[in-house]
Amino acid sequence: DAKTTQPPSMDCAEGRAANLPCNHSTISGNEYVYWYRQIHSQGPQYIIHGLKNNETNEMASLIITEDRKSSTLILPHATLRDTAVYYCIVRAGWAGTYKYIFGTGTRLKVLA
Amino acid sequence: GAVVSQHPSRVICKSGTSVKIECRSLDFQATTMFWYRQFPKQSLMLMATSNEGSKATYEQGVEKDKFLINHASLTLSTLTVTSAHPEDSSFYICSAREGGSTEAFFGQGTRLTVV
Repeated sequence: DAKTTQPPSMDCAEGRAANLPCNHSTISGNEYVYWYRQIHSQGPQYIIHGLKNNETNEMASLIITEDRKSSTLILPHATLRDTAVYYCIVRAGWAGTYKYIFGTGTRLKVLA
Repeated sequence: GAVVSQHPSRVICKSGTSVKIECRSLDFQATTMFWYRQFPKQSLMLMATSNEGSKATYEQGVEKDKFLINHASLTLSTLTVTSAHPEDSSFYICSAREGGSTEAFFGQGTRLTVV
């Protein structure tokens, strides 16, 4: 299973973009990168995922480097409600056996 | 997104008893369900993966006789913690994925306290 490495914590000013990095240097060619976040004492919430192209949805953008060894999650205009632990996950396995292994995550604090 | 519901959200049980946690997918058929455990200030640890109608696959170090998982239907999986002890107190979270889907959706978690 590919391992992910994230900084343990980050601060971001409200209204500014939050850029959360993730290293996954051992990722293999068919493994997707997923991002989830967990607000205190709740289940994780899906944010976005990608394979090799950059992706954008209503919540965030995902930038994956060309060699796929790292990625960045971008919250374009962070709000106080975005304060959470953000997990970068490499989905392991193949069709029918996928599993989602969580790393230590980044605790993002959005400051007023 | 799809909805996954866990019940109960909180449970307190006496040491030595068993407790069952339910995980339901409300608006999709969950071909695969995952069970996680999370201790305070730690990340989620995958305990097991179950496919509907099959035996669960447990991660290394997880006792399958202690954590019984049943996934008998496409909308329901249960985790039973047998002979619970205080060290089993934790936040248990389920996740479900529909066959062919690229996303897994998580329940709101169950906080188990064994006294």
